[in-house]
Amino acid sequence: DGGITQSPKYLFRKEGQNVTLSCEQNLNHDAMYWYRQDPGQGLRLIYYSQIVNDFQKGDIAEGYSVSREKKESFPLTVTSAQKNPTAFYLCASSIRQAGEQFFGPGTRLTVL
Amino acid sequence: QQQVKQSPQSLIVQKGGIPIINCAYENTAFDYFPWYQQFPGKGPALLIAIRPDVSEKKEGRFTISFNKSAKQFSLHIMDSQPGDSATYFCAASLLQGTYKYIFGTGTRLKVLA
Repeated sequence: DGGITQSPKYLFRKEGQNVTLSCEQNLNHDAMYWYRQDPGQGLRLIYYSQIVNDFQKGDIAEGYSVSREKKESFPLTVTSAQKNPTAFYLCASSIRQAGEQFFGPGTRLTVL
Repeated sequence: QQQVKQSPQSLIVQKGGIPIINCAYENTAFDYFPWYQQFPGKGPALLIAIRPDVSEKKEGRFTISFNKSAKQFSLHIMDSQPGDSATYFCAASLLQGTYKYIFGTGTRLKVLA
């Protein structure tokens, strides 16, 4: 089955710790995206990548970092510099020349 | 210029009713307008999308109406069912360039049985 997987589904972190969220896709999509979702604020773009070894900051990149070493993988690191990291994180991918973005099931991060 | 304004924030209808969700945008360069449906704890899934060269698109019980001159588009759900209870997001995008989506803030729909 083709799709996007995110792991873990739930993640708990202590303040001051970095944590990495996994995103893998087997759709052969070139572009991948990370969004943050907070209640009442919709989806906000953190980082996106159109090709391997290249990525750009989105609207709320501060306190986050990414890498794109493989086409199918786009991990997101939430660093201790992110002041309010508790949120629902969504990964998405798309064919570069088409509009539809396919979303993964999400990871809910809670900072204790 | 980059905002997409979505209303209402929440909506309650009776089964069989026709909920309508509205979105407005500023950037006339946007050329792709998708709607996503999201159930609690799940990722959003594409419901239906429209390009600005058509004024209406139907897929099953879901219809998008598009008014290019007013820079507005809306989602209508015909014969709504309790299973349609979810959060709906509109978005706008440029198909050329970065393929970034600008999302609305979402509408939480509840369909009463």
